[in-house]
Parts: sequence; C-alpha cells; structure tokens
Amino acid sequence: QKEVEQNSGPLSVPEGAIASLNCTYSDRGSQSFFWYRQYSGKSPELIMFIYSNGDKEDGRFTAQLNKASQYVSLLIRDSQPSDSATYLCAVNLPTGANNLFFGTGTRLTVIP
Amino acid sequence: GAVVSQHPSRVICKSGTSVKIECRSLDFQATTMFWYRQFPKQSLMLMATSNEGSKATYEQGVEKDKFLINHASLTLSTLTVTSAHPEDSSFYICSARKLAGTLNEQFFGPGTRLTVL
Repeated sequence: QKEVEQNSGPLSVPEGAIASLNCTYSDRGSQSFFWYRQYSGKSPELIMFIYSNGDKEDGRFTAQLNKASQYVSLLIRDSQPSDSATYLCAVNLPTGANNLFFGTGTRLTVIP
Repeated sequence: GAVVSQHPSRVICKSGTSVKIECRSLDFQATTMFWYRQFPKQSLMLMATSNEGSKATYEQGVEKDKFLINHASLTLSTLTVTSAHPEDSSFYICSARKLAGTLNEQFFGPGTRLTVL
C-alpha cells in the first residue's frame, strides 16, 4: 500500500462548479498535510496546509482533514479555467527524515 | 516569504558531460533540501535528501556517484549529474524545508529542465 494515494483523474468540472480532490494516507501517525498545485511544465506550488481535524478555508480553497478516516481533501469553489492543473497531496510522516510523501497527483480540468 | 531559486532553468548538454544545478533558499535558511526528478506526465520522484554539513541521503535506486549532492551552506545545495546520458533527461526540482514549529513546509524551486543529446 502506498503511503499517499490519490485518484489520478482526470477530473473535469464546468467553470463555476466545485471541484473536490481526495487523498488518503496510510500512516495514522501522520501529522501535517499539504496540497500543492502543479501546472504543466512548472514546479509545484504550495496552496494550503492543514494539521487539525476539520475544515480550513482560504479564499476559494477549503482543505478538509479527517484523521479517523485517514482522509484529506481539497475543495475548490467557483472553479476557474486557471485552476486546471495537477494537484498533489503531500503528507508529513512521523518517522524517517521528515520529508514529505507525495501522492501521484490528480489532474483537474475546468471546462469554460 | 519563502522563495527558492534554481539555476539554470534549462540546460542542453552532450552525452558524457557533467551538469551542475544550484538550489538556493533566498529568504530563509534551510538545513534540509530535497532533490526530485519528474519525467513527463509522471509524479515527483524523490532522489535524495540534502542535509547541510553532512552527506546526502539517497533514495533506493538512485546512484550517489552519478548524482552528486553538496549542501555547503544553509542556503545552497547543488546537484551534479555526472557523465550525463540521454536517459537522464528530465525535470529536476529542488525544494527547501522551512521549519515552523512542528509544521514541515517545503517550498519548491522553479525546476531545471535537462536535455542530454
């Protein structure tokens, strides 16, 4: 089982809709969780992080964490074509060198 | 802020030559930096963890003698691809870890696209 799993997609949503991106992780002791956005040919950029159960909102983005279910999600409200990118979930595992474990990413396409 | 730069952004070289890529944290100190490689349409692959003042830790399957990493200061790590071959052509991305309490944020450089002819 991979440490971090994401549906590779592609996920297509119409402009203005809510895009829901999901991620599960295997290590129950994981402490912090990150969402990165990567445009084609570019490096990842940090969108949000979350470390407490519940929701965390930042503009059109909401991260949701459920440690009991080992599940973290990212909601994008009022999706725009410029949101089309690959979204990477990353988890900070409690053991090892403190590097982040990345999922394979979900490709999101927002259709105008 | 947390800005990470990489140089060069793009390099084309002949097979057999060595290429050095620099990664700098511009506005924070980074005791740990990471080097990733990404092939087209694939996910990030961690190559090695670079620790300031000590030897890098390489992931399984990554040749340490081929990918030389030096982390000489708190703001600079370098990756040297020695005797590059066409199969080394890839997008190389570094990240720097910014510690904020117990949070472990990583900020990525813009990447270096290496093409080996």
